[in-house]
Amino acid sequence: NAGVTQTPKFRVLKTGQSMTLLCAQDMNHEYMYWYRQDPGMGLRLIHYSVGEGTTAKGEVPDGYNVSRLKKQNFLLGLESAAPSQTSVYFCASSYLGQPQHFGDGTRLSIL
Amino acid sequence: RKEVEQDPGPFNVPEGATVAFNCTYSNSASQSFFWYRQDCRKEPKLLMSVYSSGNEDGRFTAQLNRASQYISLLIRDSKLSDSATYLCVVNMGASGGSYIPTFGRGTSLIVHP
Repeated sequence: NAGVTQTPKFRVLKTGQSMTLLCAQDMNHEYMYWYRQDPGMGLRLIHYSVGEGTTAKGEVPDGYNVSRLKKQNFLLGLESAAPSQTSVYFCASSYLGQPQHFGDGTRLSIL
Repeated sequence: RKEVEQDPGPFNVPEGATVAFNCTYSNSASQSFFWYRQDCRKEPKLLMSVYSSGNEDGRFTAQLNRASQYISLLIRDSKLSDSATYLCVVNMGASGGSYIPTFGRGTSLIVHP
């Protein structure tokens, strides 16, 4: 039972490049979330999904897109990376109203 | 005003001390509440859920005050290993009947010998 798995763990991009972060969970959770964490800012919700095929915007969605084609996977895309998107990205999953389980994060640097 | 507020600290306490953190929330319709612990920018990990009647897990006690819209975490007999950031999480109602977790910015605890 792997829980929540994020890939990649680390990545360095150049401004303007695109990439996709993958989150996979094996707990059959309906809800999945993408957060970013910056020093002094706490965890901020980017996008979330309440089920397969559905996504919704969180607090800081600009510059990101997401897809949830399969219940167990939630993808976060950066179409044109900017230095302001340098951050630690966490994925999480949960049942409705229940505690979240987090992946161990993706450290992303954009030069 | 942020929806979930915490004193960022740091709280600097000696081993064996008792320390308490509060977390206030703005949405009176919030449904569920949790405390998480986060170490050195690692992933947050659930410390405990917070129930209306209050709950205790070893040295940790969590309480909910709906009337004043805050939750609290009490740590007794602090250990060096308790040094971490403690995150308050409140599940708030969103469109379509869903509940979205909202995080406070965290309270930093440093326990020293």
